Amino acid sequence: QQPVQSPQAVILREGEDAVINCSSSKALYSVHWYRQKHGEAPVFLMILLKGGEQKGHEKISASFNEKKQQSSLYLTASQLSYSGTYFCGTFGSSNTGKLIFGQGTTLQVKP
Amino acid sequence: DAGVIQSPRHEVTEMGQEVTLRCKPISGHDYLFWYRQTMMRGLELLIYFNNNVPIDDSGMPEDRFSAKMPNASFSTLKIQPSEPRDSAVYFCASTSQQGVAGYTFGSGTRLTVV
Repeated sequence: QQPVQSPQAVILREGEDAVINCSSSKALYSVHWYRQKHGEAPVFLMILLKGGEQKGHEKISASFNEKKQQSSLYLTASQLSYSGTYFCGTFGSSNTGKLIFGQGTTLQVKP
Repeated sequence: DAGVIQSPRHEVTEMGQEVTLRCKPISGHDYLFWYRQTMMRGLELLIYFNNNVPIDDSGMPEDRFSAKMPNASFSTLKIQPSEPRDSAVYFCASTSQQGVAGYTFGSGTRLTVV
């Protein structure tokens, strides 16, 4: 079951904040977040394994609410380098290693 | 480590021809995945292997697609015969520990079938 991301696209000015959401209709074991720049491969940002866990990566952090079956990615004080498409990926409860990606959220940061 | 290595980077072929995409995973990674990316369908999981054994091929679109992993350092994805709708970017990714350390993707193969 593919997770659903929202919004589909975001346009920001440098220094502004953004939130990208990822939700699933099925119970989740964990959530991955990746960023893909145009013409490149997706790059791993972080994984959240426990309910309610929040992790950080520079000015990018994420939370995972296991009960609500959703995760959010927070980008604060955005930089031009944050532009790209962000994907969440989810494992089902069995954590088989089979990662299913959402449809992606395109983030554009303008000067 | 050189990362996940895919070849070729670009492939243009005529409809009906056989296409073979290649992948070398990161040494020590025991999971290998083939994904296909298109604008319409996003990142689709085609098949994945654990310790060289195919675990789930439910994403393979049809019998024209086949994948093998003869050893821990090499995998192929073959399309025979190819069709224009197969045009996409094909990514190979590998991981260990069931993915808890994240997946590492190769640079991808951009396939164009004319």
